Amino acid sequence: EVQLLESGGGLVQPGGSLRLSCAASGFTFSSYTMSWVRQAPGKGLEWVSALSGSGGGTFYADSVRGRFTISRDNSKNTLYLQLNSLRAEDTAVYYCAKTYSHGYDYWGQGTLVTVSS
Amino acid sequence: QTVVTQEPSFSVSPGGTVTLTCGLSSGSVSTSYYPSWYQQTPGQAPRTLIYSTNSRSSGVPDRFSGSILGNKAALTITGAQADDESDYYCVLYMGSGIWVFGGGTKLTVL
Repeated sequence: EVQLLESGGGLVQPGGSLRLSCAASGFTFSSYTMSWVRQAPGKGLEWVSALSGSGGGTFYADSVRGRFTISRDNSKNTLYLQLNSLRAEDTAVYYCAKTYSHGYDYWGQGTLVTVSS
Repeated sequence: QTVVTQEPSFSVSPGGTVTLTCGLSSGSVSTSYYPSWYQQTPGQAPRTLIYSTNSRSSGVPDRFSGSILGNKAALTITGAQADDESDYYCVLYMGSGIWVFGGGTKLTVL
C-alpha cells in the first residue's frame, strides 16, 4: 500500500524558514518524480515544485522559485521542501504527491504551514 | 502567463449527468497536456480520478470518465450521487517539469 506522510509544518514568522518532509512507502521511491502541491485556506490547489526520481531535475512555480528548494533522499525514501523567506501568502496546506503519467496518483494528507507574526 | 480555466460552480440532479471542463486561456487542450482530474471534499486530501486524459485511477467507478471535448479536457459524471458533491480540479502538464492547476469547480448535487 502506497503511503505518503508529510511532516514539518507549523507557525513561522514572515521571513522565516521551515523544512517539510514527506516519508514514502509502498513503492520504489527512486523510480518516480515527486511533487509538492499547496492549498491556501479556502483556495484551490497550486503546484509548487517537482523533482525527478534521480534528483537530477528540479522544477519550481514562479511564485516560489529562488525561495523554496526541493530535494530527496532515496536511501530514506523521503522528499523534502525547504521553505525560506516565507511570506504570508505562503500560508497553506502542503501536500506531497507521487507523479504518475504526468499527473498524480497518490497524495499525502498534508501539513499546514502558517506564516504570521 | 498560462491560466487553466474551469467552471467555478455547477449543479446536477441526483442520477443526472454532468460534464465539467478544463480549458486554456490561450489555445486548446490536447492529450499532449496529459489532463488529469481530482476530487476533493473539505478538509481532505485530493483523490485522483482520471490521469492522462481518460485513464481511471484504481478504485474509481466507471461513472467517472475523461475525454477531450472540442478544445477542452472534460470530466463526465454519469448517474451523479450525493457523495459526488465535491470540488473538482484539473491539472495540465505544460512540459519542462511544470504543471498548472485549474481554479476548481464546486459541484452541487441537488
